Amino acid sequence: AQTVTQSQPEMSVQEAETVTLSCTYDTSENNYYLFWYKQPPSRQMILVIRQEAYKQQNATENRFSVNFQKAAKSFSLKISDSQLGDTAMYFCAFMKLLNYGGSQGNLIFGKGTKLSVKP
Amino acid sequence: NAGVTQTPKFQVLKTGQSMTLQCAQDMNHNSMYWYRQDPGMGLRLIYYSASEGTTDKGEVPNGYNVSRLNKREFSLRLESAAPSQTSVYFCASRAPGQGILEQFFGPGTRLTVL
Repeated sequence: AQTVTQSQPEMSVQEAETVTLSCTYDTSENNYYLFWYKQPPSRQMILVIRQEAYKQQNATENRFSVNFQKAAKSFSLKISDSQLGDTAMYFCAFMKLLNYGGSQGNLIFGKGTKLSVKP
Repeated sequence: NAGVTQTPKFQVLKTGQSMTLQCAQDMNHNSMYWYRQDPGMGLRLIYYSASEGTTDKGEVPNGYNVSRLNKREFSLRLESAAPSQTSVYFCASRAPGQGILEQFFGPGTRLTVL
């Protein structure tokens, strides 16, 4: 079974600085996807970034980027120029593709990291 | 375009009562999901429906039933609620097609079972 581990229950960062959230996962699969979701106090789950395991290039979305190390099964999220609105729970999630062709997969979540951005 | 909607937003039940959580999406998505989120935990999959007319168990299905009423709606039923089912419940949906893997989440339902 796949597992996702986020070893940092809480982190804080000063506004405008950079912070990295850690995530490791365990799987014997070769074809899968990884995601970071953000959950602000409103509870809404918002996709931040995703990474396809077959791609060597790390995904980037504006101030958010990942460091994907497939051999080490590591998938960290870097937030640059942190903003107060980045304060939220961040969840790392793994998706195994359930069928050939990759049209169905279910998410397995880590326990989350609570990030506080301080002014 | 409302996305994924859930009703109710909050609910308090007594042990043994039953209720149905409603979920609807207006994005023409094929796949729909029900998750629960407990304190200090990530979301865990209860049931999912890959397409209209099909449902499958997820990681924590015990104590729940689901109905995929049509393409838009996917309901979660608690037949006899227990305090262990106190949680926040999220519904999600995903678009059809290979490579479209993002799940869109509803705002959640906070359920308390006394």
